[in-house]
Amino acid sequence: DADVTQTPRNRITKTGKRIMLECSQTKGHDRMYWYRQDPGLGLRLIYYSFDVKDINKGEISDGYSVSRQAQAKFSLSLESAIPNQTALYFCATGSAGEQPQHFGDGTRLSIL
Amino acid sequence: QKEVEQDPGPLSVPEGAIVSLNCTYSNSAFQYFMWYRQYSRKGPELLMYTYSSGNKEDGRFTAQVDKSSKYISLFIRDSQPSDSATYLCAMSRTGANNLFFGTGTRLTVIP
Repeated sequence: DADVTQTPRNRITKTGKRIMLECSQTKGHDRMYWYRQDPGLGLRLIYYSFDVKDINKGEISDGYSVSRQAQAKFSLSLESAIPNQTALYFCATGSAGEQPQHFGDGTRLSIL
Repeated sequence: QKEVEQDPGPLSVPEGAIVSLNCTYSNSAFQYFMWYRQYSRKGPELLMYTYSSGNKEDGRFTAQVDKSSKYISLFIRDSQPSDSATYLCAMSRTGANNLFFGTGTRLTVIP
């Protein structure tokens, strides 16, 4: 089983819809992150959480919200999706004192 | 100016060649340097992790950091078709809450 699992893997939806992307991990890490990846722009941080009661905005948080339901679960929501949110979304985990982060296989999101 | 610059390629080499991938950065506070490999339709996987300056070797892979020039490199010896992927550099500083990524270099190793 994958250490970091993202669902769904692919999603096509329409402008204005609410969408939730989910992430769960079995690595036992405290820290969880949401990134988006766009061609030519690389990976950019949306939100991160260091524990269940800690939520922080990243570089590009506008239009997104998150929920840390448990240590192992971190979900990303688009309240009213717009076409420029079409991207590849990755969840990542990490431990305190450990710089590298471990990634899931991503959700490919298309907003029409 | 982006904090991390990486040539997007694409880079195409014959099997067995030595590959050199590079990134430059502007923030002199960066101390942690990573290389990730990303296969198509997969998430990035950590390949190499180095702290501060110097070299680190792991099998066919060597990571180099030159902090005076703000330049990092990844060398792949005896490249294989299975090395075909996008390579992302990433870096961070003490106390930072996230990584700063390059845009990735797409590598194809031709049999």
